[in-house]
Amino acid sequence: GENVEQHPSTLSVQEGDSAVIKCTYSDSASNYFPWYKQELGKGPQLIIDIRSNVGEKKDQRIAVTLNKTAKHFSLHITETQPEDSAVYFCAASKGGKLIFGQGTELSVKP
Amino acid sequence: NAGVTQTPKFRILKIGQSMTLQCTQDMNHNYMYWYRQDPGMGLKLIYYSVGAGITDKGEVPNGYNVSRSTTEDFPLRLELAAPSQTSVYFCASSATGGLINEQFFGPGTRLTVL
Repeated sequence: GENVEQHPSTLSVQEGDSAVIKCTYSDSASNYFPWYKQELGKGPQLIIDIRSNVGEKKDQRIAVTLNKTAKHFSLHITETQPEDSAVYFCAASKGGKLIFGQGTELSVKP
Repeated sequence: NAGVTQTPKFRILKIGQSMTLQCTQDMNHNYMYWYRQDPGMGLKLIYYSVGAGITDKGEVPNGYNVSRSTTEDFPLRLELAAPSQTSVYFCASSATGGLINEQFFGPGTRLTVL
């Protein structure tokens, strides 16, 4: 079955710097890759996603890139702000069921 | 819209006890899911449902049961609780189960089995 590896597990950046989180997946048939943000005490919330037929997608300060050949995808957050501090999860989907990575705890220091 | 609601927020069980985690969504979504989240392990799918009366196993179904008698409700039943079931449980729903499948999550239930 599908396996998703996510790195790093923790990431600390200064406010205004960029943050990058990387994920690899094992099943080449996976075709949808969402990213979820989980704030303390809350459930995960979708922040951006990408389909397998697209290489990059941007939404304001966040962007996701996908390399199908290498089977990896990344989340990029620019101009980080303290409110970006949270746990971020990547996921891979084939046929609608999501397989999640282990999560990255991002801390943005003012 | 309240979205996805879960009760209770916290619960402590003794080994061998049973309980039901409640999940309700008011978005008229056909698909509903139960996940467990262990520290450093991401979310694992326990069970899911594609509509009222239809349920199927996910990655980690052992020790759990579900039912889906209505579109809105998807309760998760723990029989004979074990310490390995200590976790945070999330319910989620989505309008479709296809390629673009934004799942909306509830706030979670933190369960401790002692």
